[in-house]
Amino acid sequence: SQQGEEDPQALSIQEGENATMNCSYKTSINNLQWYRQNSGRGLVHLILIRSNEREKHSGRLRVTLDTSKKSSSLLITASRAADTASYFCATGYSSYKLIFGSGTRLLVRP
Amino acid sequence: EAGVTQFPSHSVIEKGQTVTLRCDPISGHDNLYWYRRVMGKEIKFLLHFVKESKQDESGMPNNRFLAERTGGTYSTLKVQPAELEDSGVYFCASSQGQGTTGNTIYFGEGSWLTVV
Repeated sequence: SQQGEEDPQALSIQEGENATMNCSYKTSINNLQWYRQNSGRGLVHLILIRSNEREKHSGRLRVTLDTSKKSSSLLITASRAADTASYFCATGYSSYKLIFGSGTRLLVRP
Repeated sequence: EAGVTQFPSHSVIEKGQTVTLRCDPISGHDNLYWYRRVMGKEIKFLLHFVKESKQDESGMPNNRFLAERTGGTYSTLKVQPAELEDSGVYFCASSQGQGTTGNTIYFGEGSWLTVV
């Protein structure tokens, strides 16, 4: 399987703390994208990191990519209750097709 | 700018009936995709259009599913006849161009299908 796998499957933290989610994949990729899904809602694109990049930032989000280990991490700093959602990594093996992981369910307690 | 819009947002149908899901991509996006998530499993690719042409339909589960994109604008995904295992959320997505380094793929809110 080429699917990404997120770790942990579920994470519960206190508001203000940082949340780190990891994603591993199995084959070479062109890019890796992180998405958020609030309960019952659609997928919101968070950030895209290309295979030749090692780190990207967007607001309170920091994504790293280690192609030698075939892994990526998503760090959310100073978490808020509104960050409660499921987070998915999706790997791009071609220019158009994404392979999704099973997701990490994040709960941020007020 | 409007995002990817899908209709209906929720649908409950009986086994054996037909359902047609519609997707309007972001204006100017030639690439349109359908994905689905069933029974809490992973989100899986169904197919990809470039304009009106099907580029890859390798993810379509069986011949009960038919996707069209006449005119290269909106797309429909028809399930006929629907089975219980088709219940889940169907996501449409679009992107501008392809390229070799990847493009951001924007997803809609999904069409939540329940087959009873």
